[in-house]
This record gives sequence, C-alpha cells and structure tokens, in this order.
Amino acid sequence: DIQLTQSPSALSASVGDRVTITCRASQSIREWLAWYQQKPGKAPKLLIHRASVLESGVPSRFSGSGSGTEFSLTISSLQPDDFATYYCQHYNNFLFTFGPGTKVDIK
Amino acid sequence: QVQLQESGPGLVRPSETLSLTCTVSGDSITSGHYYWGWIRQSPEKGLEWLGDVHHSGTTYHNPSLKSRVTMSVDTSKNQFSLNLGSVTAADTSVYYCARHYGSDFDFWGQGILVTVSS
Repeated sequence: DIQLTQSPSALSASVGDRVTITCRASQSIREWLAWYQQKPGKAPKLLIHRASVLESGVPSRFSGSGSGTEFSLTISSLQPDDFATYYCQHYNNFLFTFGPGTKVDIK
Repeated sequence: QVQLQESGPGLVRPSETLSLTCTVSGDSITSGHYYWGWIRQSPEKGLEWLGDVHHSGTTYHNPSLKSRVTMSVDTSKNQFSLNLGSVTAADTSVYYCARHYGSDFDFWGQGILVTVSS
C-alpha cells in the first residue's frame, strides 16, 4: 500500500507569510494527489485535485505542485481564514489514503 | 449545491453494529459518475476511508476493515448507508459521508461523532 507523509507536522506563521507544506508518497503516484483544508469541528474541504488543479471558489493564493513522489501545497500570502489543518490524499484503484496532516497556526 | 447529512446513534455498545445513514440533497444519488463514500476521523488514526457505494449497488471497502463493512443505497430516499459490525472502542470516531468524484471527495457531510462504549 502507498503511504503518505507530510512535513512539517505543524508550523507557526504570520498573516502575509508564504507557507509551503510537503507531502511525500512511498512510491510514484503520478499526479493523483488532492489537498484538503480542515478547520476545528468541520469536515475537510477540497482545495486542489490532480496535484495542481484548484477547485472552483478556492482563492488563488493556494497552489499545488509536484508529481511522482513529492508534492507541495503553497499559500502565497497567509490570511486569517487559512489557519487550519491541511491534509493530502491519494486515490488509486478504489483505495484512498490520507496523509497525517499539517497544522498551521498563528505565530 | 450538493449537501450531505449523516444520521444515526451517537453511542454504540461494543460488539454491536454501527449503522449510519447519509441523506443527499441538491443532487440525485443516481446522477453522474459518482460514488458515495464513508470516511472516519479519530485522533489515533487520522482520516481513514471506509468504503464507497455506487447507486447500482457496487461497493468497495478498505481492506483493513476486512468484512466488517457493508454499504447500501436507497435511491427512493436519496440516501446511502453504512453498517460496521463487531465494533470496539477503536471504532470511536467522527464519521463523515462524502461524494466521490474522480479521484477525491468534493462534498462532505458535517460529520457525526460515534462513541463505542458500554
């Protein structure tokens, strides 16, 4: 089975900072990676699919990149609404795997 | 806008069966190429996919749950359901239903906390 790891597991940042979160797969998954944002007490919200395709309505400060085994989610200028936990997710042949999450909080 | 809502008991006794229903509004459960999934989340295991069901009745489940998971669809009520058998305290989680489109889940329910305890 494919395993996903995320780094860092948590980070502190300020409004306006550029933030990058990394997700690594245990083997190549081409571009089959999605990113979600989750706030406390809420369901995850899909931000990006196919590694770099922004979901409709998601602010353009979010971007995704990567392929193969290394992927990143970048927030170009962190906003107050962005403090949350972010998860990567892979799908292959009816098996979904989620990463352990990266918590972004206020410095 | 598609909306999903989980319902079911918040407390289940050990060794019994956890049963949840997801009601879909804003879209027909039979439309498009969608599957309808269940995901749970706990501090110990994080986010864990349990399984997917198609309106045709086709199901896929996480092999780690072996044969404990069954899923079904009620197209007349625009609902789908999850049964998880032989539960233990380790099955205590927030359970989400969600729409599976392509390679991800694009719409989620708000989640329901299910506690396994005697």
